[in-house]
Amino acid sequence: GAGVSQTPSNKVTEKGKYVELRCDPISGHTALYWYRQSLGQGPEFLIYFQGTGAADDSGLPNDRFFAVRPEGSVSTLKIQRTERGDSAVYLCASSSTSGGLKGNEQFFGPGTRLTVL
Amino acid sequence: AQKVTQAQTEISVVEKEDVTLDCVYETRDTTYYLFWYKQPPSGELVFLIRRNSFDEQNEISGRYSWNFQKSTSSFNFTITASQVVDSAVYFCALIVTGGGNKLTFGTGTQLKVEL
Repeated sequence: GAGVSQTPSNKVTEKGKYVELRCDPISGHTALYWYRQSLGQGPEFLIYFQGTGAADDSGLPNDRFFAVRPEGSVSTLKIQRTERGDSAVYLCASSSTSGGLKGNEQFFGPGTRLTVL
Repeated sequence: AQKVTQAQTEISVVEKEDVTLDCVYETRDTTYYLFWYKQPPSGELVFLIRRNSFDEQNEISGRYSWNFQKSTSSFNFTITASQVVDSAVYFCALIVTGGGNKLTFGTGTQLKVEL
């Protein structure tokens, strides 16, 4: 079946603008994650949804970042007043909860490359 | 807090050589999961393997093998008879049961396999 999809693949914006990044998880996966990957680094956790609710948002760097998943499927990561330091690849992943959630492998999308000029 | 260390930033080998990628982890949890992901130049992370902390059996899958040693907190990855298509960045990662279900990644090892 289809994997995790993310749109847009690339986003260029100006400092101070608002952006939305979209993630469409694998069908049936109730858990959804957002990570951010800076150049030369490993992905860093931002937020995790179980169903519609954010189960852990401890990785969001500040209150300019917000994410929603209103129907328990597609998720949108929203960044307000973007800064040059927000430039990175934003990765989305999903996992199933069959057999319990802990440690289930997470399947990643291709990412959205965000560039803030 | 948990941590994953991949001390090798970049490794270059000639095709058909064997190569081992090192991974050392830190956690106070007794139950945890270890992962390896591959990130080819296309950028998409590809899941390779998951081990839980109670299963120290080594695993072999084709040319890939993994050595998990709790005594040294290591989860090393060996590619036998490397091929050019193995060129990628490889990430080791950790999930601890006391920390939600988020992956903590190492900084990755860039593997270059040349002809």
